[in-house]
Amino acid sequence: GAGVSQSPRYKVTKRGQDVALRCDPISGHVSLYWYRQALGQGPEFLTYFNYEAQQDKSGLPNDRFSAERPEGSISTLTIQRTEQRDSAMYRCASSPLTRYEQFFGPGTRLTVL
Amino acid sequence: GNSVTQMEGPVTLSEEAFLTINCTYTATGYPSLFWYVQYPGEGLQLLLKATKADDKGSNKGFEATYRKETTSFHLEKGSVQVSDSAVYFCALSPLAGKSTFGDGTTLTVKP
Repeated sequence: GAGVSQSPRYKVTKRGQDVALRCDPISGHVSLYWYRQALGQGPEFLTYFNYEAQQDKSGLPNDRFSAERPEGSISTLTIQRTEQRDSAMYRCASSPLTRYEQFFGPGTRLTVL
Repeated sequence: GNSVTQMEGPVTLSEEAFLTINCTYTATGYPSLFWYVQYPGEGLQLLLKATKADDKGSNKGFEATYRKETTSFHLEKGSVQVSDSAVYFCALSPLAGKSTFGDGTTLTVKP
C-alpha cells in the first residue's frame, strides 16, 4: 500500500516568506508526528496529533511554527516569516497508535535564503 | 521526561565483524522500544522492535533484547556486511505521549 508522502520534497524560499509543508499519512493511522532533522542528528520532535487533536506541541521552536490536521488525515506544518535557521529536513511520520512503530515519509528539504 | 542515550559514534568495522551499539533509556511505565535505520540519502525505516520486557526483536540478522532491569536495548549483529553501513537510531514510544529518539550512531563497514 501507499506509504507516508510529503510535499514538496524540496522548498527554497526567501527569508520572511511563509511556507506550508504537507504530510499525507498512511490511511487509517491515528497518530501523526512532525520532526526536524539536522544532518547527522536524530529526529527532533516538533508536534504530534492523535486523529485531529494536537496532543503535544512542546517541540515547536516558537510561535512562527504551527501545525494542523483538521480532518484527522492530512497535516500541514506552517512556518511564518521564515528565517535562515529554519533551514532543515522536515520529516513526517504516522503510526496506528502512539505506542506502535512509526512510518516515516521522505521528508521536505527546506532552504531559506 | 523520557530519554534515550546511544553509544557515540562513528563506528568503523571490517566485514564479518561483530557489532554492538549500546542504547539505554529512561522512561516511566512500559514503553515500546525500537531501532530505526537510515541508509545514505534515505528516510528512517524500522529495523526491529520490542514491546515488553525480555522481548527480543530481530530482523536482517540484527537483534536487540528489551532489558528492563538494566533499562537497555542494545543492538547486535554477529557478522556485519558493507551493506549495513548506515545510521542507527534507538527510540522509545510510550503508551501515551511523544516518542523519543537517540542521537544516532553511524556505522561504516569496510570490505
